[in-house]
Amino acid sequence: GQNIDQPTEMTATEGAIVQINCTYQTSGFNGLFWYQQHAGEAPTFLSYNVLDGLEEKGRFSSFLSRSKGYSYLLLKELQMKDSASYLCAPLQNGYALNFGKGTSLLVTP
Amino acid sequence: DSGVTQTPKHLITATGQRVTLRCSPRSGDLSVYWYQQSLDQGLQFLIQYYNGEERAKGNILERFSAQQFPDLHSELNLSSLELGDSALYFCASSPRDTTNIQYFGAGTRLSVL
Repeated sequence: GQNIDQPTEMTATEGAIVQINCTYQTSGFNGLFWYQQHAGEAPTFLSYNVLDGLEEKGRFSSFLSRSKGYSYLLLKELQMKDSASYLCAPLQNGYALNFGKGTSLLVTP
Repeated sequence: DSGVTQTPKHLITATGQRVTLRCSPRSGDLSVYWYQQSLDQGLQFLIQYYNGEERAKGNILERFSAQQFPDLHSELNLSSLELGDSALYFCASSPRDTTNIQYFGAGTRLSVL
């Protein structure tokens, strides 16, 4: 089974830094993905963590603590185009991505 | 463009009908996944095929079925449609069967009236 918890909505200012947290309980855990989804569009891959620690990729970083069932996505130098939903997705048994309901991020001027 | 192609983009039909959604994976990808996204639910995993064989099953209703053909394209069949089946249906593909980045198509928006 799986249980994923993310904040429903967040608001941040252009140029700022925002951290989106995700806690999960997933059997057969094989890593955690973060996807970005603009309204009505396909999810796009942002990051994948399989080991504990921080993975940095440009303005986006993702952190994983497997023992705590916790991950976060850090977005720096926010831009208006970063307004989207951010989906935390633990990988279960190597196959299925179990998506949370996502965090809707609004970036304001 | 992810390289995953889904057709049609939009589908409007009536309750009780049957529809088929089609997905062509990225070139070289062997796995195809189907997801349903409705307004009040997140992305729900339905089913995965790998190289023509069913690999994993999620929250797929018995009225729904899928298959993957020898050319690796996949079809999702939805029958006896109900109003609650109205949703965005996404297909994703990945190179292998486990622990891969999944690349999503643009989705098929199904409206059941």
